[in-house]
Amino acid sequence: DSGVTQTPKHLITATGQRVTLRCSPRSGDLSVYWYQQSLDQGLQFLIQYYNGEERAKGNILERFSAQQFPDLHSELNLSSLELGDSALYFCASSVEGGIGTEAFFGQGTRLTVV
Amino acid sequence: AQSVTQPDIHITVSEGASLELRCNYSYGATPYLFWYVQSPGQGLQLLLKYFSGDTLVQGIKGFEAEFKRSQSSFNLRKPSVHWSDAAEYFCAVGAENNDMRFGAGTRLTVKP
Repeated sequence: DSGVTQTPKHLITATGQRVTLRCSPRSGDLSVYWYQQSLDQGLQFLIQYYNGEERAKGNILERFSAQQFPDLHSELNLSSLELGDSALYFCASSVEGGIGTEAFFGQGTRLTVV
Repeated sequence: AQSVTQPDIHITVSEGASLELRCNYSYGATPYLFWYVQSPGQGLQLLLKYFSGDTLVQGIKGFEAEFKRSQSSFNLRKPSVHWSDAAEYFCAVGAENNDMRFGAGTRLTVKP
């Protein structure tokens, strides 16, 4: 158990809908990362927050957004969902978030868009 | 931008045999390199990392990796594979903006 909690574990929704994925980082970790893992794209970095502020942005679509709350949990919002958004979404957390900091991954949320 | 190539999509080894998983990176500066393992239905777990210093890095579960700058490689090795090592292995390189780039992964099957 990495200490990172993601909910829900599975999510099935229809195209055009909006969903919210939630991540609770390890106790004491200030940084949260979101990744998308799909068969065709592999593991892609989406976005990073550090202590409530956006720190780095990767291949995140405009239909996707995220935030980190004062209690340090984070949410990833996916809207206008398309079939191609079906993937495993991972959250990871680390103490600091600087380059090379070890990140601990949650077990992921499997999103299926039908 | 940095990138990682894992040339082997799938490798099968016999239990007790040695293992080497290949990883080549592309990055202009000194890279921060990682190996992660993902068991079925699980998140990724860090096996080891390299930042600087000794180019041979020891990790958990008996794994080690060697950084070779001249070859832009960071291959993962284990002298004797156990059935529980069957999983997917990801090499990753970190950059200044924390945009960690992962390779496509190598799936390891262990034969009894």
